[in-house]
Amino acid sequence: SQQGEEDPQALSIQEGENATMNCSYKTSINNLQWYRQNSGRGLVHLILIRSNEREKHSGRLRVTLDTSKKSSSLLITASRAADTASYFCATATNAGKSTFGDGTTLTVKP
Amino acid sequence: DVKVTQSSRYLVKRTGEKVFLECVQDMDHENMFWYRQDPGLGLRLIYFSYDVKMKEKGDIPEGYSVSREKKERFSLILESASTNQTSMYLCASNQDRSRSPLHFGNGTRLTVT
Repeated sequence: SQQGEEDPQALSIQEGENATMNCSYKTSINNLQWYRQNSGRGLVHLILIRSNEREKHSGRLRVTLDTSKKSSSLLITASRAADTASYFCATATNAGKSTFGDGTTLTVKP
Repeated sequence: DVKVTQSSRYLVKRTGEKVFLECVQDMDHENMFWYRQDPGLGLRLIYFSYDVKMKEKGDIPEGYSVSREKKERFSLILESASTNQTSMYLCASNQDRSRSPLHFGNGTRLTVT
């Protein structure tokens, strides 16, 4: 099974609301990354959080990491229609391989 | 800004053809990766390379090979294309294999008929 698994698979919200996506993983990691993918395009890196960090912010994005529960969450505050995309978490080991989950599809309705 | 360029956005090939997917990065990154993306299966690692002329198998290398003759270029080769290789192929690179995020190209959507 996938190392990083996102939850929920799909999320639909109104513009202005907050969106929370969760990621669980199974093995020890060096860091965890969140990416965004617009339909039919490549992935764009959003935030990288290291295994010794608990929380990180970037603009309207907030990522938390709980290594004891092997889980992470991505919060997008005050969502916009332009945030509509698929969001993936990826876990990187010390060997350098990044493993991705299936992603969460976020739809933000104007 | 890092740019990872994949040579084709869309490609249609016939079963049995030899297919080359090219990827070039312009930031002198050490590491390059090939993933394929399929609905319900997420991104799966095919091959990766940590140095010129070096390659390592990922999770699904069967039916593929790679070539890295120059640091900036990483090619994925489908030796004899099959319909189950119809997919979105994504190339990525990074500098520090365990500490840096991946920079992706825009992908090549390959259809094998």
